[in-house]
Amino acid sequence: DIQMTQSPSSLSASVGDRVTISCQASQDISKYLNWFQQKPGKAPKLLIYDASNLDTGVPSRFSGSGSGTDFTFTISSLQPEDIATYYCQQYLNLPFTFGPGTKVDIK
Amino acid sequence: QVQLQQSGPGLVKPSQTLSLTCAISGDSVSSKSAAWNWVRQSPSRGLEWLGRTYYRSKWYNDYAVSVKSRITINPDTSKNQFSLQLNSVTPEDTAVYYCASSNLGYWGQGTLVTVSS
Repeated sequence: DIQMTQSPSSLSASVGDRVTISCQASQDISKYLNWFQQKPGKAPKLLIYDASNLDTGVPSRFSGSGSGTDFTFTISSLQPEDIATYYCQQYLNLPFTFGPGTKVDIK
Repeated sequence: QVQLQQSGPGLVKPSQTLSLTCAISGDSVSSKSAAWNWVRQSPSRGLEWLGRTYYRSKWYNDYAVSVKSRITINPDTSKNQFSLQLNSVTPEDTAVYYCASSNLGYWGQGTLVTVSS
């Protein structure tokens, strides 16, 4: 199985700050990476697919980059409604596997 | 817009079978470009993909090795839905279970399933 790691595991930032989360795959997954946002009690919501493509209706302050084994997720200007846990997930190979998550809150 | 509506019991006794259903609107379970997934989430295991079913002139299933001996995912074309059955459950199967569409773009609302006597 492809192992996914994320860093940091949690972060605290101020409204308006730029926030960056890293995700690393245990082998080359090309561009086959999703980023999800999950709020408490809710299902994960797809934000970015193919490493850098914004899903429909997702605000442009969210972005993703990277390929191969190293990926980055960025919130350009943190908003109060962005408080959530963020997960990366690979879909190159079965089983699909997820990172452990990064919890983002407001300082 | 695809919508997924889950149904099924929230409490299952140890050694029994967990059964959930996911009703699809806005797409077809028989679509030749779609796949229909089950994912679960627990504090100990995080988000864990369990398996999927899809139609490409015939039906196919893929399952996670961790549950392969106990899991069945079946389509129901008459009701445009798909189901999850997980046999011989233990307390370690306690989790929130989600159905999800291709590439996990759309998700059901989630069902907390507790395995307890």
